[in-house]
Parts: sequence; C-alpha cells; structure tokens
Amino acid sequence: AQTVTQSQPEMSVQEAETVTLSCTYDTSESDYYLFWYKQPPSRQMILVIRQEAYKQQNATENRFSVNFQKAAKSFSLKISDSQLGDAAMYFCAYRSINTGTASKLTFGTGTRLQVTL
Amino acid sequence: KAGVTQTPRYLIKTRGQQVTLSCSPISGHRSVSWYQQTPGQGLQFLFEYFSETQRNKGNFPGRFSGRQFSNSRSEMNVSTLELGDSALYLCASSWITGYEQYFGPGTRLTVT
Repeated sequence: AQTVTQSQPEMSVQEAETVTLSCTYDTSESDYYLFWYKQPPSRQMILVIRQEAYKQQNATENRFSVNFQKAAKSFSLKISDSQLGDAAMYFCAYRSINTGTASKLTFGTGTRLQVTL
Repeated sequence: KAGVTQTPRYLIKTRGQQVTLSCSPISGHRSVSWYQQTPGQGLQFLFEYFSETQRNKGNFPGRFSGRQFSNSRSEMNVSTLELGDSALYLCASSWITGYEQYFGPGTRLTVT
C-alpha cells in the first residue's frame, strides 16, 4: 500500500517570501501521479499542482512549483512571493495509474501554512 | 461551469440514526468519489462510483454505502450512526476514473 508523509505540521512564511513544503511517499509502482491540494478555512479542497511520475520536468503553476525527486520519493512544493491568501492547509496526495485503484487519492496528514505580514 | 455541489452543508444527527448525503458533480463528469476527513484519521477514501457502478472501495464498514444515478449525481448513506462518524465528508468528481478530481465544499456531519 502507498503511504504519504508530510513531516511539517505547521509552517510560517512572511508575505512576499518563499516557502517550501515537504512531502515524501512510499510506493512500489513506477508510474503514478502526485498532487498538492490546498484547503483554506472554507474547507473546499483546491487542486494546486500535479506531477506525472514519468515526466522528469518539474511542474509549475504560476507562483507554485514542485521539486520532484523520483528516486528519493520526494515531492516538495515551493510557493514564491507568498500572499495572505495562500494561508491554508496543504495536502500532498498520491494516485496510482492502476485502473483498479486510480480513483483513490492517498493523502498526507497536511501542513498548515501561516502567512504573516 | 458550476463546481461540485454537496447538500446539506451541515447536519446534526443522533447516534443510531441514519443519514444520506448528496453530491452533484461538475457537468460532464461521470466519476464521483467520496472521502471522510477527521482530525484523527485525516483524509480517507470511502468509495468511487462511475456510470452507476461502484468501482473502488476503501476500508470502511458496511454501514457506509453509496449509489450513483444516471445523471451522475451520487448519494452516500451511513446507517446506525456512531459518534466516530462525525466528520467532514467530501465529494470529488472527475471526467472519468483516473482523471483529476475536483472537490465539493463538503458536508459537516456531527453525531451526538
């Protein structure tokens, strides 16, 4: 079974600064997808960024980028030019490509990001 | 395009009762997945429905069940509620199984 670990329960960053959230995972599969989701106080989960394991190039989405290290099974999220609206719980998630389990997202425990002035 | 909607948003039930939660996916999406979020267990996958068939199921007791209608709307039912069933229940839709999932705002269930 796959597991996802987020070792930072809480992080803090000043507005306009850069912060990196860590995520490691364990899997025996060679192809899979990784995601970062954001859950603000409103509780709605929002997809931030996704990475396909077969792609060597790190995904980027505006101020959000990832550092995907497949051999190390590491998938960190970098938020540049942090904004107050980035304050939220961030979840790292894994999804298999196997048809039988492709619908299931396995989540980490989350990192609460605080953005200060 | 409207997002995923869930009703009701908040619900209070008594132990032993049953409850039904509803999820309407994004128009055109045929896969609906359900997740339970609690402070202790985090986010856990309940099940997925695609074309009215359960495709995948998480490790939850049989008290948790679901179904999907021909218009892709899905319902989740929990029978004989226990205090531990208090949670945020999230629904996510995707075009088909394996594609990106978009989440609804959730239903906050409190069991007293």
